Formats: sequence, structure tokens, C-alpha cells
Amino acid sequence: NAGVMQNPRHLVRRRGQEARLRCSPMKGHSHVYWYRQLPEEGLKFMVYLQKENIIDESGMPKERFSAEFPKEGPSILRIQQVVRGDSAAYFCASSRSYEQYFGPGTRLTVT
Amino acid sequence: GENVEQHPSTLSVQEGDSAVIKCTYSDSASNYFPWYKQELGKRPQLIIDIRSNVGEKKDQRIAVTLNKTAKHFSLHITETQPEDSAVYFCAASIRSGAGSYQLTFGKGTKLSVIP
Repeated sequence: NAGVMQNPRHLVRRRGQEARLRCSPMKGHSHVYWYRQLPEEGLKFMVYLQKENIIDESGMPKERFSAEFPKEGPSILRIQQVVRGDSAAYFCASSRSYEQYFGPGTRLTVT
Repeated sequence: GENVEQHPSTLSVQEGDSAVIKCTYSDSASNYFPWYKQELGKRPQLIIDIRSNVGEKKDQRIAVTLNKTAKHFSLHITETQPEDSAVYFCAASIRSGAGSYQLTFGKGTKLSVIP
């Protein structure tokens, strides 16, 4: 699972700014999941994507959050107009079927 | 939706003893149950998983058991070592109509192995 890459590892944003989180899946994996982890909590599902398609976004907040997985390049989770409550660790996981392998995460701090 | 409960939230054992972590799930359609180990500040690492057509699976010092009737599954670590100290998460998954295997996680168990 060392092949799942995320950047940046740490991101500090002021309230109202935009945050862009990137995830490159393992070679040969075409499925990407995004999860959010609050301190002392388990991970919560946000969105599931395949190349060029959002398959399941049932865990994504309706406003300010969006995700994409273009034909070329990494998957991107975008948070507009960040608020303090968005501070968390955001993990992506890549998969070929049911096993999911996680990246190192992006720790977002909103000041 | 699916709900996963995990117990205990913290567990301390002496080195060499066994550790058991238990999880229950609510949706009988769940059919895939992975366990992840997360060290402080690191990524969740898949350590073992079990599918619903199997009752038990073992990998060296780690084993997982599944009771579909009671809707619970457990992680067993034998001969614990200090490097087993971490937070362990159970999860349950159903394959959705859209093909998603989204995971629903428990809240985690912080395992401390005392040398």
C-alpha cells in the first residue's frame, strides 16, 4: 500500500480559503475512495470515484465539497470556503475490487 | 445505513498475552469485514480481512472470526509484542448497487502492550 500517494501531507488554510487535496492510487487500481477522520474517531466515508465518474457521493456534504478523478492525473478533493469544522485528516484509499489500501493522508488545519 | 460498534475503546495487555477486540454490525447484507491498524500520525494499514462465506481466518499471530447469525466479528492477536501497540479499527462493507464497497468503521480500540 506504499503506492497510494497523497499530497500535501499537511495543509493550513484560513477560514474562507479553498483547500485542494490530491490522491494518486496504486498502479493498476481504478477505484478511489475518500474518507475523513476527526481526532479520536474512526474514518467516515465521503465519496467513491472511478476514472471520470463519481459513483457514490452519499457521504459528501452537499455544499462546499466536490471531488473528481480525471482521465489523466490524480483524484482531487476540493473544499471551498473552509471553516474550522473542516479541520481533520483526509485519507484516500485505492482499490481494484473490495480491498482498500490507504494513502498517508492530508492533515487539514483551518485557522 | 450500516452501523458498526467496537469494544473496548482501550485495551492494555502484558507482552506475550492475547488481545481480543469485538465488533458488531447492524446490516445483515454486509459481506466484507476488514481490520486496520493505525499508528499515531500514520495511514490505516490493512492487517486482515474476512468475507461472509468464511467463519474464521488466520495469519500468523492474527486471527479474525465472524458470526453472521449474531452479526459480530472479532480480532484476536496472540503473543502480543510492544510493536502491536496502535489503534485498531474494524469495518463492514456492502457492495452497493453502484458497485461501491464503502467501508463503515468502528470508533477504534487503542491497544497498549506493556513490556
